[in-house]
Amino acid sequence: QKEVEQDPGPLSVPEGAIVSLNCTYSNSAFQYFMWYRQYSRKGPELLMYTYSSGNKEDGRFTAQVDKSSKYISLFIRDSQPSDSATYLCAMRETGANNLFFGTGTRLTVIP
Amino acid sequence: DGGITQSPKYLFRKEGQNVTLSCEQNLNHDAMYWYRQDPGQGLRLIYYSQIVNDFQKGDIAEGYSVSREKKESFPLTVTSAQKNPTAFYLCASSIGRVEQFFGPGTRLTVL
Repeated sequence: QKEVEQDPGPLSVPEGAIVSLNCTYSNSAFQYFMWYRQYSRKGPELLMYTYSSGNKEDGRFTAQVDKSSKYISLFIRDSQPSDSATYLCAMRETGANNLFFGTGTRLTVIP
Repeated sequence: DGGITQSPKYLFRKEGQNVTLSCEQNLNHDAMYWYRQDPGQGLRLIYYSQIVNDFQKGDIAEGYSVSREKKESFPLTVTSAQKNPTAFYLCASSIGRVEQFFGPGTRLTVL
């Protein structure tokens, strides 16, 4: 079993839709949770970063962490064609250097 | 502009050759990382370095080597011992262990 599981998609939605992206994980010691956005043939860019459980909002993006279910989500409101990219979740334990990544979900927002 | 640069963008290697990928950052970050990205497998950690003249193996270090002689630079050598080197290589840096920032990547192809 992989440490982090992420549905690879692809996921296609119409412009303006609410998008839900999810990851599950098996290691209960993970405390730091991140979402990265990666455009084709580019390096990932950090979108959201949360510590432990709870919600964090930044503009159209909301990150949720449910540690009891070992489940994290990224919601994108009012999705735009420029949101079309691959979204990677990542997480790590306190004090560790190694980030564990999901395989990424490819999202296409159709105008 | 502050950031992470990787060169070259594309690299072709013949079997049996060693090649070196460059990574430079001007963010004054202490920690630097090398990841490999393959389709359907997410990012996997090759090596990381928290300070100059010190580095640690990640999950898939076999067939790779690194050096950290300067804070700004963390080159990765892909040796002939790496059996399947064709991949997208990403360098990252961070202050401490949090919020890794990625470079644009180098795509290595073995001919």
